Amino acid sequence: DTAVSQTPKYLVTQMGNDKSIKCEQNLGHDTMYWYKQDSKKFLKIMFSYNNKELIINETVPNRFSPKSPDKAHLNLHINSLELGDSAVYFCASSQDRGVGYTFGSGTRLTVV
Amino acid sequence: SQQGEEDPQALSIQEGENATMNCSYKTSINNLQWYRQNSGRGLVHLILIRSNEREKHSGRLRVTLDTSKKSSSLLITASRAADTASYFCATGMNTGFQKLVFGTGTRLLVSP
Repeated sequence: DTAVSQTPKYLVTQMGNDKSIKCEQNLGHDTMYWYKQDSKKFLKIMFSYNNKELIINETVPNRFSPKSPDKAHLNLHINSLELGDSAVYFCASSQDRGVGYTFGSGTRLTVV
Repeated sequence: SQQGEEDPQALSIQEGENATMNCSYKTSINNLQWYRQNSGRGLVHLILIRSNEREKHSGRLRVTLDTSKKSSSLLITASRAADTASYFCATGMNTGFQKLVFGTGTRLLVSP
């Protein structure tokens, strides 16, 4: 069983569209994250939820809206997609502080 | 700006040789973690070292941490072709909730 699963794996869409990426973890972890990895492989945290509550919200355009219906799911909705949003988006989860994260396999978003 | 800077950016060695990667960071940390990313895949947690620890081992991996110099190193001994990947250090900050900040990564190529 995949511990952290993201869908879709690939997403190609036109500028201006709205799209969502879904993430689910079956590890029973309390905290989930969204990271963005750009073309230079820089990984930057976007959001973090702990038990459905937003705890980290980095400087991200408000076109990006995370939603956590329960602690096992963290979805990312992006409005009015721009070329610069093209990247690989990783979902991750962890239990408590000071422990390693478990990452999903990523969603490669290409905006054309 | 990125919290961690890794050195070298790329490393090419032969199977059987040792590989050493270095990571420097800027602020006080709770822990430092190393991750591996194979091409087109998610990140895999390798090892975590806490701020009060100086050295840690896991199989062929050896991690050191020098908080006075704000630096860490990852040594992979007796490397194998399967070790080819990008390696990232990530610092766990001293905030209310854990927030991992990733370094720039080292691309390791191990040739047979």
